[in-house]
Amino acid sequence: GAGVSQSPRYKVAKRGQDVALRCDPISGHVSLFWYQQALGQGPEFLTYFQNEAQLDKSGLPSDRFFAERPEGSVSTLKIQRTQQEDSAVYLCASSLAPPLAGGDEQYFGPGTRLTVT
Amino acid sequence: DAKTTQPTSMDCAEGRAANLPCNHSTISGNEYVYWYRQIHSQGPQYIIHGLKNNETNEMASLIITEDRKSSTLILPHATLRDTAVYYCPGVTGGGNKLTFGTGTQLKVEL
Repeated sequence: GAGVSQSPRYKVAKRGQDVALRCDPISGHVSLFWYQQALGQGPEFLTYFQNEAQLDKSGLPSDRFFAERPEGSVSTLKIQRTQQEDSAVYLCASSLAPPLAGGDEQYFGPGTRLTVT
Repeated sequence: DAKTTQPTSMDCAEGRAANLPCNHSTISGNEYVYWYRQIHSQGPQYIIHGLKNNETNEMASLIITEDRKSSTLILPHATLRDTAVYYCPGVTGGGNKLTFGTGTQLKVEL
């Protein structure tokens, strides 16, 4: 079956531009997560949605980062006024049920590689 | 945030068992132990998880110590395609936040 998809797979932005990254989770998955992965590092949590509700945005690095999931399915991560330090792979993951003390695995998309020049 | 520690790298001969350790000394009683792996240029892939008992699936086995402060992921017959970074992320916030760390780079060689 179809997994988590992300688009675009690669994005090059000039410093100061706004970007929008899209995530299509697995159909029917309630939970959706965004992570940021810098080169040579593990993924770092950014934000979490349960259906359309953003329940945790503690990992967003600044107010330039904004995520939404208005209808509880597709999600968009927007970065305003991009900076060079925003260059990273942005990963989206979904899971079937709301987390219950971590008892549900997350399925990851291939990521969007963002390069800010 | 819950933190885990793993060796930076390990080597394994093809066909042999790969045993990857993880320390999660701050784990809470109701937090699961998860393992993921990431092959170059792909998103992380779920492998296995458990709470207290040892678990086995088609990919791997998971051994959790009785005090739950550490675990070992076992790939019984490693192949070249198992070369990847393996993570045992900490789980916090009721399971909505995985803290990955830098993982273990497993290199399977002929």
